[in-house]
Amino acid sequence: DAGVTQSPTHLIKTRGQQVTLRCSPKSGHDTVSWYQQALGQGPQFIFQYYEEEERQRGNFPDRFSGHQFPNYSSELNVNALLLGDSALYLCASSYRTVRSRETQYFGPGTRLLVL
Amino acid sequence: AQTVTQSQPEMSVQEAETVTLSCTYDTSENNYYLFWYKQPPSRQMILVIRQEAYKQQNATENRFSVNFQKAAKSFSLKISDSQLGDTAMYFCAFMKHEETSGSRLTFGEGTQLTVNP
Repeated sequence: DAGVTQSPTHLIKTRGQQVTLRCSPKSGHDTVSWYQQALGQGPQFIFQYYEEEERQRGNFPDRFSGHQFPNYSSELNVNALLLGDSALYLCASSYRTVRSRETQYFGPGTRLLVL
Repeated sequence: AQTVTQSQPEMSVQEAETVTLSCTYDTSENNYYLFWYKQPPSRQMILVIRQEAYKQQNATENRFSVNFQKAAKSFSLKISDSQLGDTAMYFCAFMKHEETSGSRLTFGEGTQLTVNP
C-alpha cells in the first residue's frame, strides 16, 4: 500500500521565480491538504482540495495556488518567491467520509530553499 | 479560531521509562478531533494517536496513550517503556469536525523529546 508521495524532495530557487510541488495521495484517499513548516515551528495550513476544488484556505497570499487532478493528485504553485517562502512543504492525504472522520497522513515533504 | 499550546519545548527521558507530554487547546467547538504526530530528524510527519472528542474513553496505541480532559481542554500523551526510536519532535494537533467544507489541522509548536540510553 503506497503512502503519500511528494516530488521533488529538495528544490533551490531564487527570489522572484515560480515553483511547482507535486503530491500523490495514499491509495484510496481523495482529499489533499498542503502545509508549510518553517524551521523550528509547527506546520501551517495552506489549503485543502477535494473533488478538484479548493475547500478551505489558510492565511496565505494569492501567490500560493493549487490544483487537484481527477486522479486525486495535487500541485502546489508558488509565484514570485520570497526568501520567507523557504520551508518544508508537507502534503497530507485523507478520505472524506460522511462523518468527516478524516485522519491526515503526511508525505515526506519537499524542502524549498529560496536564495 | 482554535489554538493549540504545547508548554514544554524540550523534554528528555531515560530509555524504558515513562514520559508525559502536555497539550492544551482553545476552542468553542463541541465536536472535534485531536491528534499527536511525531516528526523524527527525517522530518517525516507520522501519526501517533487520534482521539475523537465525543468519545470519553482515552485512546491507546501500544506504548502510547492519551489523557483527554474535555472540560479542561487538555490532551496529554504518555509514552511508556520509552525507546531510542521515540526521539523526535512531537506535535499536538486539533481538527474541527466539518460536514461540508474542508478540514484543517491546527498544530502546536511542538515538544522535542530525547530518549537517552
